[in-house]
Amino acid sequence: QVQLQESGPGLVKPSETLSLTCSVSGGSITFASFYWGWVRQAPAKGLEWIGSIHYTGYTYHNPSLKSRLTMSVDASKEQFSLRLRSVTAADTAIYYCVRLPNWGALGRFDLWGQGTPVTVSS
Amino acid sequence: DIQMTQSPSTLSASIGDRVIITCRADESITSWLAWYQQKPGKAPRLLIYETSTLESGVPSRFSGSGSGAEFTLAISSLQPDDFATYYCQQYYTYPFTFGQGTKLEIK
Repeated sequence: QVQLQESGPGLVKPSETLSLTCSVSGGSITFASFYWGWVRQAPAKGLEWIGSIHYTGYTYHNPSLKSRLTMSVDASKEQFSLRLRSVTAADTAIYYCVRLPNWGALGRFDLWGQGTPVTVSS
Repeated sequence: DIQMTQSPSTLSASIGDRVIITCRADESITSWLAWYQQKPGKAPRLLIYETSTLESGVPSRFSGSGSGAEFTLAISSLQPDDFATYYCQQYYTYPFTFGQGTKLEIK
């Protein structure tokens, strides 16, 4: 079955750029019926949607992050990525990559990676 | 942004109990609401979408209802595996937003 796996550094310095990659296995990232995205969870906090992307390049961002956020898809590697610029301690969280079925209404997260913890600290 | 508010924040119950968790949006989200279950150290799991549609593999003791701005998640007969934190999420409009969570504890 389809699985998602996040990868990236666990520690990022303040003001630098956080880069994460999600690898899709057991299925194709170019399947038109799915978007892919990111959700984060700060320590002992709730869940925050970051953004979503289709392999064709359509993207949707949380406005609270949009000016710092870039998402991309590398279909040849079956991966999608997140870049978050100018990070602060408020960006410390577990970052999950997710899949979004694009039928009914886009927006539910039916498949999750295991999550990768990211700490912003000098 | 649409704010989602869950109640209660914590719920204590016993095996076999029926429990209900409520989720309110600060405006109508029609039926575009999902529920997730999260256990400590694990990723959330989709339980229900479009208010009442059970995700594949989810036990039938879980059910969802509501419309507009008020929704409920019911668990008909609590099993040991059900003790976890539950989140609602609206996907009526961007940005998608979650409730703050309801922690279901063993009484």
